[in-house]
Amino acid sequence: DAGVIQSPRHEVTEMGQEVTLRCKPISGHDYLFWYRQTMMRGLELLIYFNNNVPIDDSGMPEDRFSAKMPNASFSTLKIQPSEPRDSAVYFCASSLAPVTQYFGPGTRLLVL
Amino acid sequence: GQQLNQSPQSMFIQEGEDVSMNCTSSSIFNTWLWYKQEPGEGPVLLIALYKAGELTSNGRLTAQFGITRKDSFLNISASIPSDVGIYFCAGQRGGNQFYFGTGTSLTVIP
Repeated sequence: DAGVIQSPRHEVTEMGQEVTLRCKPISGHDYLFWYRQTMMRGLELLIYFNNNVPIDDSGMPEDRFSAKMPNASFSTLKIQPSEPRDSAVYFCASSLAPVTQYFGPGTRLLVL
Repeated sequence: GQQLNQSPQSMFIQEGEDVSMNCTSSSIFNTWLWYKQEPGEGPVLLIALYKAGELTSNGRLTAQFGITRKDSFLNISASIPSDVGIYFCAGQRGGNQFYFGTGTSLTVIP
C-alpha cells in the first residue's frame, strides 16, 4: 500500500509568492494533519481534519495560511503571500485514530 | 499548545550500548506513542501504549506507559548504527487533544 504522498518534495520560492503544498492521505484514513517542523520550534501541528472537516486550526500561524480538504483523498496547504520565516519542512499525516499517525515524507520549503 | 518534555535532548553512544530516554508532562495522558524520524524523512510510529503501567516491545525497543500517566519511557537495547535519528514522544489526552515532545537526537558511534 502507498503511504501518505506529498508534493512537491522541495519548493524554493521568492518572498511574496503563493505556495501550495499537496497531500494524498492513506486510503480509508479519516484524519488528516498538517505539521510544520523547524529547528527552533520543533514539530508544530497547524491544522487537522476529520472526515474532510477542519476540527482544530488553532495552530495556523496567521491568515496567510489556509488549508482545504475538498475530498477524502486530497488536501492542500496554501501560504499567500509567503515570507522567509515560513521556510520549514511541512508534513502531512493521516490516521484512523487521532494519535496513531502516519507521516508523509515532507515538503522542504525555502522562501528567499 | 502544551509541550511534552523529553530528555535527554541529545545522546552520543557507542554501538552496542543500551539507550534510555523519557518524556514527561504535568498533565495526565490516555495514550503515549513513540516515533522515530530519520534524516530527510517523516516520523515513523514505533510503539503505542494505551494504559498505565503497560510495557510494550518492538524488537530491541521497549516502551512503558508510566503509572502516574504523566510520563513514558523508551529503551533501546544493543544499539546499532541504524538507530540514529530523532525520537519523539506523543501523548493524547481526552477527546482529540494530542501533543508531540521536543525530541531526543540519538547518534550511535560505530
